Amino acid sequence: RKEVEQDPGPFNVPEGATVAFNCTYSNSASQSFFWYRQDCRKEPKLLMSVYSSGNEDGRFTAQLNRASQYISLLIRDSKLSDSATYLCVVNERRGSTLGRLYFGRGTQLTVWP
Amino acid sequence: EAGVAQSPRYKIIEKRQSVAFWCNPISGHATLYWYQQILGQGPKLLIQFQNNGVVDDSQLPKDRFSAERLKGVDSTLKIQPAKLEDSAVYLCASSLSEGAGELFFGEGSRLTVL
Repeated sequence: RKEVEQDPGPFNVPEGATVAFNCTYSNSASQSFFWYRQDCRKEPKLLMSVYSSGNEDGRFTAQLNRASQYISLLIRDSKLSDSATYLCVVNERRGSTLGRLYFGRGTQLTVWP
Repeated sequence: EAGVAQSPRYKIIEKRQSVAFWCNPISGHATLYWYQQILGQGPKLLIQFQNNGVVDDSQLPKDRFSAERLKGVDSTLKIQPAKLEDSAVYLCASSLSEGAGELFFGEGSRLTVL
């Protein structure tokens, strides 16, 4: 069983659309959660952290449901520049270490004009 | 501010040959990570250093992979001998401290094993 599961997509949406990605994680002891963005043939970059109360950054909204072990990312008013792969990332504390970051396989988004 | 530097960007070798990748993290970042990203998958942690000590190498195939960060700054990842399934992008990342959520990645080293 994978630590982080994501629907790989691809999601193909028109400009201006609203799109949502979901992610589930297997370890209920997971501590912190993030969404990273990876452009084609580029390195991943942090998009936003995910807080228990939910958080918003412009057109992007992240939600966490600890009871269901579920994370979501909502993108409103999609732009062409949003085309990328979105990686769900979970920090799992193990023993005395502060934890290891587990990456999902990513969800591919293409926004078309 | 300079980012994470990696070299070489591309490497093509035949199976059973050896290869080494180099990484220089962002200045002042204590934690350094090596990830393997196979096409279509998310990055998988191979090894994590805190300064010059290994924090986690549980997913490193130690029969063929080795890594070091002798002076707690730059790091080298070696594969010897390489197998076909080692074809991947090897990403180095650094963070200010262990457990930090924001990792800064280098552009990666793309390895093709023929």
